[in-house]
Amino acid sequence: GQQVMQIPQYQHVQEGEDFTTYCNSSTTLSNIQWYKQRPGGHPVFLIQLVKSGEVKKQKRLTFQFGEAKKNSSLHITATQTTDVGTYFCAGPGDSNYQLIWGAGTKLIIKP
Amino acid sequence: DGGITQSPKYLFRKEGQNVTLSCEQNLNHDAMYWYRQDPGQGLRLIYYSQIVNDFQKGDIAEGYSVSREKKESFPLTVTSAQKNPTAFYLCASRGDRGLRSNQPQHFGDGTRLSIL
Repeated sequence: GQQVMQIPQYQHVQEGEDFTTYCNSSTTLSNIQWYKQRPGGHPVFLIQLVKSGEVKKQKRLTFQFGEAKKNSSLHITATQTTDVGTYFCAGPGDSNYQLIWGAGTKLIIKP
Repeated sequence: DGGITQSPKYLFRKEGQNVTLSCEQNLNHDAMYWYRQDPGQGLRLIYYSQIVNDFQKGDIAEGYSVSREKKESFPLTVTSAQKNPTAFYLCASRGDRGLRSNQPQHFGDGTRLSIL
């Protein structure tokens, strides 16, 4: 079945260092969504990418959608403590109403 | 203020007991979802509903049941058949009916279920 793989599972960074998470789909996606879940919280929608090769920025966050629309990445520049949490990618499933979720990448700031 | 309300926040289940988790939304969304999240894991779909009086099984429906009698409400029952129910349960909704899942899902604050 359709799968969305996300790596790495965890990333430990010093505050101020960069962070990147990668998402790969077994099939071509019509779009991809990114969510952030703070510790103890619920996922919150960040952004959706639709076009091949699309790049979108939100302050220190840069989102990319691959040319083949099968992969995506999220890059955070100069991480801050407020960035701590788990970042998920999700793509449409076979049903019009389902999302297939990546396993998430947990951003941990080293003390 | 529009949103999704899940209750209770914490729930304890005894052996052999069925428990029901509440999810109410006032966003006027047609589609609603139940996910299970285990520690350090992603989201797994239990059930979803596209419209009132209709629902579909997700990837891990065994041991769970749902109903969708009203647009605003999508309660989840964790039955005694679910032998490992300890998890974080998230309810979500989405507003676009008939379109290919290109609208974001909005989540409630979740219910943490544990076995006594």
